[in-house]
Amino acid sequence: DVKVTQSSRYLVKRTGEKVFLECVQDMDHENMFWYRQDPGLGLRLIYFSYDVKMKEKGDIPEGYSVSREKKERFSLILESASTNQTSMYLCASGAGATTEAFFGQGTRLTVV
Amino acid sequence: ELKVEQNPLFLSMQEGKNYTIYCNYSTTSDRLYWYRQDPGKSLESLFVLLSNGAVKQEGRLMASLDTKARLSTLHITAAVHDLSATYFCAVGYGGSQGNLIFGKGTKLSVKP
Repeated sequence: DVKVTQSSRYLVKRTGEKVFLECVQDMDHENMFWYRQDPGLGLRLIYFSYDVKMKEKGDIPEGYSVSREKKERFSLILESASTNQTSMYLCASGAGATTEAFFGQGTRLTVV
Repeated sequence: ELKVEQNPLFLSMQEGKNYTIYCNYSTTSDRLYWYRQDPGKSLESLFVLLSNGAVKQEGRLMASLDTKARLSTLHITAAVHDLSATYFCAVGYGGSQGNLIFGKGTKLSVKP
């Protein structure tokens, strides 16, 4: 079974803190993604990586950065957390355009 | 810009009834995915549809794709309570797996 593991299920951080969300996949997938999910807005892509050290901006990259130093690990960084970044963050990985993406269990981040 | 619209957004149905969820999208695509999300859980892949006329079935769920009409349907046959969840369609465009736009989701509630 494909496994995508996010480091935390729940996280509470203070405004202005630098926040790291970690994601690891065990299927040797080329592609990895970070989405945020908000009620009524569905899932929105923050960043996408198609190879080590390669990244592309998604629909809402402002306030976020990413790091992919190893194929299996994709990190989302909130440079200076703000309350409007309170959300559910979902990591996913996939093998290619003709296959589905597999999602992690999600991290519910609250910024106070 | 690719837009994906699902309807209905909320669906309450009785056990044993049939219903269809619709997913319309605004530009040409030949990749469409359906996911299920249970409350507090992550997304689970249901179907991958990759060509015009593709039809896939799993249990009481059947998904189809009409690329000319830019429409996918998820048909529910003889609904049972266990199907209660939120269903998302996602449309891919371009060659990159990262180019994936999600609909807002349909929250399905099946009542006895």
